[in-house]
Amino acid sequence: NAGVTQTPKFQVLKTGQSMTLQCAQDMNHEYMSWYRQDPGMGLRLIHYSVGAGITDQGEVPNGYNVSRSTTEDFPLRLLSAAPSQTSVYFCASVGGPGELFFGEGSRLTVL
Amino acid sequence: DQQVKQNSPSLSVQEGRISILNCDYTNSMFDYFLWYKKYPAEGPTFLISISSIKDKNEDGRFTVFLNKSAKHLSLHIVPSQPGDSAVYFCAAVNAGGTSYGKLTFGQGTILTVHP
Repeated sequence: NAGVTQTPKFQVLKTGQSMTLQCAQDMNHEYMSWYRQDPGMGLRLIHYSVGAGITDQGEVPNGYNVSRSTTEDFPLRLLSAAPSQTSVYFCASVGGPGELFFGEGSRLTVL
Repeated sequence: DQQVKQNSPSLSVQEGRISILNCDYTNSMFDYFLWYKKYPAEGPTFLISISSIKDKNEDGRFTVFLNKSAKHLSLHIVPSQPGDSAVYFCAAVNAGGTSYGKLTFGQGTILTVHP
């Protein structure tokens, strides 16, 4: 029962580097999303997708890019990493109104 | 502008007693409210929810109360157990259209239940 799988779990980047956080779900949900968690800020929505080929911006989309070529996968790309992007990133698959299934998270540090 | 607020960063209770976690919201378009629980190094997991047409929803030891006029909800855990120690996030959403997956979260409250 994999659910939502995120890789990598940990990553250290230098300012200006790019990378992709991978997310895959096996629940056949159309709706997926990416959140970041920062101390004192809760979880904030970065990007979301309501189905393959459809993506839209959330509350904090700047510096991130997404695509959705299949139902299963929803990768998050950091184009040019900045220290402000140091955070814990959670991918979620949406089963119903408000019912999110989260991955275990990816902890990113940008030096 | 924080649309969902949890004003207590932490709460400490004794095992067997009641834990009450509070949450306030400002956006009148929210019509569905949820609580998520998060253990360290894990993703949040859904705990309990309530629709805006109700004022109470109960699931075992967990009860969520909604006061729409005050734009306030609370989570009651009775009796509290040490395994309940975690971070609790309040969340709100407009469940209509394609917004039903766009949750707005509070800052979280760290609950510690002492044996």
